[in-house]
Amino acid sequence: DGGITQSPKYLFRKEGQNVTLSCEQNLNHDAMYWYRQDPGQGLRLIYYSQIVNDFQKGDIAEGYSVSREKKESFPLTVTSAQKNPTAFYLCASSIQGALFEKLFFGSGTQLSVL
Amino acid sequence: GDSVTQMEGPVTLSEEACLTINCTYTATGYPSLFWYVQYPGEGLQLLLKATKADDKGSNKGFEATYRKETTSFHLEKGSVQVSDSAVYFCALSEGTSGSRLTFGEGTQLTVNP
Repeated sequence: DGGITQSPKYLFRKEGQNVTLSCEQNLNHDAMYWYRQDPGQGLRLIYYSQIVNDFQKGDIAEGYSVSREKKESFPLTVTSAQKNPTAFYLCASSIQGALFEKLFFGSGTQLSVL
Repeated sequence: GDSVTQMEGPVTLSEEACLTINCTYTATGYPSLFWYVQYPGEGLQLLLKATKADDKGSNKGFEATYRKETTSFHLEKGSVQVSDSAVYFCALSEGTSGSRLTFGEGTQLTVNP
């Protein structure tokens, strides 16, 4: 079955540590996205990529970094510069260029600070 | 900029009750409108969508009508089930790909037997 896989499901970060969240899709989608979900605030876009080797900042990119070396993979690094990293992180993908195409979401990673 | 406002939650209903979750939006153009549902511990799934004024999206007994005159896209269901307990997100997109979404805050729905 095609889909999006996020790992790990739970992740803990120590002070000053960088951590990387994995996102892999086998849907052959061109576009991939990272959202941050905080209680009562909906989803906010961190970064998105419409094609391999290219990505753009979303609304809250500070303290995060991404790479898109392969079509299937879009890892997100939460750096030590992100002072409030505790949140639920969702990865999504879509067919780029298709009108009104929906997003397919992974099951998320809960990041907490130790 | 674009924005989406949902009714505040949480919403608690008894099984077979009627559901309405209000959603209004602000957009400069003619957006597409979506409702996504998030079950506990999972990502979001598209529930329904409408791409132009007066369109009605429907799925799994849920409906929402794109009302341009009131800039609204309220989610309705005539008889809810315990399995409908989830968080519901209203969203809009003005991009041609429909992929750059602006989400509302989400509304937690709990249905009791």
